[in-house]
Amino acid sequence: AQTVTQSQPEMSVQEAETVTLSCTYDTSESDYYLFWYKQPPSRQMILVIRQEAYKQQNATENRFSVNFQKAAKSFSLKISDSQLGDAAMYFCAYMTGGGADGLTFGKGTHLIIQP
Amino acid sequence: DAMVIQNPRYQVTQFGKPVTLSCSQTLNHNVMYWYQQKSSQAPKLLFHYYDKDFNNEADTPDNFQSRRPNTSFCFLDIRSPGLGDAAMYLCATSINRVQETQYFGPGTRLLVL
Repeated sequence: AQTVTQSQPEMSVQEAETVTLSCTYDTSESDYYLFWYKQPPSRQMILVIRQEAYKQQNATENRFSVNFQKAAKSFSLKISDSQLGDAAMYFCAYMTGGGADGLTFGKGTHLIIQP
Repeated sequence: DAMVIQNPRYQVTQFGKPVTLSCSQTLNHNVMYWYQQKSSQAPKLLFHYYDKDFNNEADTPDNFQSRRPNTSFCFLDIRSPGLGDAAMYLCATSINRVQETQYFGPGTRLLVL
């Protein structure tokens, strides 16, 4: 079975600074997808960024980028120029290529933005 | 706006009293998922529907069942809730199962007294 580990229960960053959230995963599959989801307080979970395992290039979405290290099974999220609206719970998630098992989530990292 | 809606946002039930949680979507997606998220834990997939095809996770308790009467609606039925079933229940949708982004509702927080 696949597992996803987020070793940082909570992170804090000053507004406008850069922060990196860590995620590692374990799988024997070669075809899979990785996601970062954001869950603001009392609001629904939304997709931040996704990465296909077969792509070597790291995904980027505006201020959000990932460092995907396939051999190390590592998938970290970097948030540049942190904003107050970035405060949320961040979940790393994994999906096999077949997709039949849905998403496997990590326990999440609570990100605090200091003004 | 197209979205995933969950009702109610908060649900209180008594130990052993059946309860139904509702999810609806205006995205016209083929797949609907139910996740259980206990306090300080990762969301865990309970089951999903691909169109009318029901897919149950192997470790989902028999106490949990689901219905999808049409494309737009999906229900989670808990036949005899126990204290351990208190959690946030998340509904999500996707166009298809493979590689597609999932869109989540706001969740229903279930309290069992």
